[in-house]
Amino acid sequence: QKEVEQNSGPLSVPEGAIASLNCTYSDRVSQSFFWYRQYSGKSPELIMSIYSNGDKEDGRFTAQLNKASQYVSLLIRDSQPSDSATYLCAPWNSGNTPLVFGKGTRLSVIA
Amino acid sequence: GAVVSQHPSWVICKSGTSVKIECRSLDFQATTMFWYRQFPKQSLMLMATSNEGSKATYEQGVEKDKFLINHASLTLSTLTVTSAHPEDSSFYICSAAPVDRAETQYFGPGTRLLVL
Repeated sequence: QKEVEQNSGPLSVPEGAIASLNCTYSDRVSQSFFWYRQYSGKSPELIMSIYSNGDKEDGRFTAQLNKASQYVSLLIRDSQPSDSATYLCAPWNSGNTPLVFGKGTRLSVIA
Repeated sequence: GAVVSQHPSWVICKSGTSVKIECRSLDFQATTMFWYRQFPKQSLMLMATSNEGSKATYEQGVEKDKFLINHASLTLSTLTVTSAHPEDSSFYICSAAPVDRAETQYFGPGTRLLVL
């Protein structure tokens, strides 16, 4: 059974602060990892992907992956109220297998 | 690039009727499309995996005779909710994985279904 664990939150951070979102997964063969953002009432949108151990930066977002610890995180620098959403972590294995989503962490950025 | 559309965006129907939802990849070909359902304040639940030209693979607990999936081309998959009941009211979302980037799923905007 593949499992993805995320703290459901809500995680509240003040505007301008760094938001840190964490995710652990159980499937050791997961190769790729994706972070999606879902605004209330909307469908998820892809914001980051990471395939190798270490950090990957894209604008205000940094994804961190540690396969040995089965841990992936997302840092959002200079958080903005528009970042308030639910963030979904999704590991991927191979082939045409579906992503396995965690329940997501609800982030609230307070102006 | 990588745009997925869904139609309709919302639908209200009477109990007992059937509703068809279309999912299209507009600028890429997708061998595989996925159908999800999401109830308010709950997480995405995978319903089925749809492969072009073959039968869909349904997740445990999802009735294949109630949720008919057809993936007739590399850009179109349809989900038909047959004999819909109020408990089928939900947010239905599809996603598509490009043929050349099977690991990346792009989501459609979703279809909100309300069964009266």
